[in-house]
Amino acid sequence: AQTVTQSQPEMSVQEAETVTLSCTYDTSESNYYLFWYKQPPSRQMILVIRQEAYKQQNATENRFSVNFQKAAKSFSLKISDSQLGDTAMYFCALWFAQGGSEKLVFGKGTKLTVNP
Amino acid sequence: KAGVTQTPRYLIKTRGQQVTLSCSPISGHRSVSWYQQTPGQGLQFLFEYFSETQRNKGNFPGRFSGRQFSNSRSEMNVSTLELGDSALYLCASSAREDTQYFGPGTRLTVL
Repeated sequence: AQTVTQSQPEMSVQEAETVTLSCTYDTSESNYYLFWYKQPPSRQMILVIRQEAYKQQNATENRFSVNFQKAAKSFSLKISDSQLGDTAMYFCALWFAQGGSEKLVFGKGTKLTVNP
Repeated sequence: KAGVTQTPRYLIKTRGQQVTLSCSPISGHRSVSWYQQTPGQGLQFLFEYFSETQRNKGNFPGRFSGRQFSNSRSEMNVSTLELGDSALYLCASSAREDTQYFGPGTRLTVL
């Protein structure tokens, strides 16, 4: 079974500091993608960053970067220079194709609070 | 481009009733997926439609159904509502196979 585990239910960080959110996954597929989504209190789910499993280079999007460790099946998100607007639920997700269909599996999420 | 839109944003129903939720994908996106989000179960996949065909289905009872129209708009129907169906229902659309973009959701409350 394909699973995604986020071991940190809640985290907090001071404004302007750096924080890392953890995610581990399990899949038997060789072709897959990994995502981090952000869901602020307004509830709109927003794509933060995308990583192709076949690429060794870690994806970056401005202040957001990932540490993708394929052998360890680890996919952590680093947020640099944290801002108050980064306060949200963060979901790690695994996309894979199997048996002619495609699936996106989510972790339980990490609630991040950025304190002023 | 306009994002994914969902209507209505909020719904209150009573047990036993049925409800229909609507989702309009991003222009050009042909795949639409539906998810149920609750505090206890997190995000659970309901089904996915592509070119008017259901391509994938999650582990939900038959009371949950959906369809997709030729313009890629999708509807989700829940019949014989139960208290446990109270949730945020999210719709997501995608153009490429892997990246999904989400709408704001419909908050359904069943009394």
